[in-house]
Amino acid sequence: ETGVTQTPRHLVMGMTNKKSLKCEQHLGHNAMYWYKQSAKKPLELMFVYSLEERVENNSVPSRFSPECPNSSHLFLHLHTLQPEDSALYLCASSQGQGESYEQYFGPGTRLTVT
Amino acid sequence: GQNIDQPTEMTATEGAIVQINCTYQTSGFNGLFWYQQHAGEAPTFLSYNVLDGLEEKGRFSSFLSRSKGYSYLLLKELQMKDSASYLCAVRDSNYQLIWGAGTKLIIKP
Repeated sequence: ETGVTQTPRHLVMGMTNKKSLKCEQHLGHNAMYWYKQSAKKPLELMFVYSLEERVENNSVPSRFSPECPNSSHLFLHLHTLQPEDSALYLCASSQGQGESYEQYFGPGTRLTVT
Repeated sequence: GQNIDQPTEMTATEGAIVQINCTYQTSGFNGLFWYQQHAGEAPTFLSYNVLDGLEEKGRFSSFLSRSKGYSYLLLKELQMKDSASYLCAVRDSNYQLIWGAGTKLIIKP
């Protein structure tokens, strides 16, 4: 595997379910990110981890819970979601957080909450 | 507040040139990025500008004017595969990326 991978690619869940999204990066990067992408809206940064420590939580509801067990893996645990949470969830990684470091994105998980 | 503005959609003809504009108002500036995103796929990095001027990479060029809070992405010799959304993002004073909503580019034969 190369680059950034995400599983599952598609997920349909009810509002009372608990599920987890997984992201893995094979690039040796130190920073990882979760984004939410809704149609015709800017990417919304949800969480940032740098060297496995969370450095940013942009007022995300507690029904989203991130976990970063090591620098290569990132999870997003989902619990009691709402229909408006349906979106594409993108994981990204970068060599660092500063300056010119571009972010490399995974293919995303298309989440539908019913 | 912080804001990135891009046109929602543009249409161009195969073989032609198109310019996608991006204006920004952010708290601080530490670089501007352009990404390409094909439908159903991940965004991929195209260019980075931190100093004023034009950066050229093959058929794609990106321009920045920090004093005007303005950038554009120039695509030459358009190909059908260039049909995609183009995302502008600015790194602010906290080194976080602020994203535009993207410009959907439609290429017609």
